[in-house]
Amino acid sequence: EAQVTQNPRYLITVTGKKLTVTCSQNMNHEYMSWYRQDPGLGLRQIYYSMNVEVTDKGDVPEGYKVSRKEKRNFPLILESPSPNQTSLYFCASSPYPGLAGGLGTQYFGPGTRLTVL
Amino acid sequence: EDKVVQSPLSLVVHEGDTVTLNCSYEVTNFRSLLWYKQEKKAPTFLFMLTSSGIEKKSGRLSSILDKKELFSILNITATQTGDSAVYLCAVVKTQGGSEKLVFGKGTKLTVNP
Repeated sequence: EAQVTQNPRYLITVTGKKLTVTCSQNMNHEYMSWYRQDPGLGLRQIYYSMNVEVTDKGDVPEGYKVSRKEKRNFPLILESPSPNQTSLYFCASSPYPGLAGGLGTQYFGPGTRLTVL
Repeated sequence: EDKVVQSPLSLVVHEGDTVTLNCSYEVTNFRSLLWYKQEKKAPTFLFMLTSSGIEKKSGRLSSILDKKELFSILNITATQTGDSAVYLCAVVKTQGGSEKLVFGKGTKLTVNP
């Protein structure tokens, strides 16, 4: 089954304790992305990656890191989480954007609800 | 600054009604416009629009894009309670050789029996 998986699905942590949210896709997609969703603000892109070893900042990259060492994995790292990073996080993947339709068919993971105390 | 604005923010209707959701945008290097449906989980893809005036249709849902006036509409006819969700509009733009998405804040649709 084609899917994007995220782990953990729920996480409560404390300020300053480093954490990693994993994201993996089994569709051989080149493009992967991380979003956060907050009430009243909608979905905002944190980082995206066009391919292995290529990552770019989205609209809200501060406080986050990513890496793309393998095509299927795109972990999101919070080196020193703060309460303002409490949010619902989505990972997504899609075929190479240069193809007709660009990012049209983007598959979202189930989401990770993070609470930073 | 890129902007995607959806209206209304919230809408309550009765089953059987027809609704129109709006999405206007000001985005440089426009490539396409996407509609998603989000229930209590991840967004699911509905439509991708790249050309003006060509209606996309799927069952009771349809959408159209106007690239001159910079907006899109999503129509849902004969609404059902299962249509209750947040509907998201997003614009794909090209930037520095790559592509990124800019989302609107969504329209929350509630369909009452």
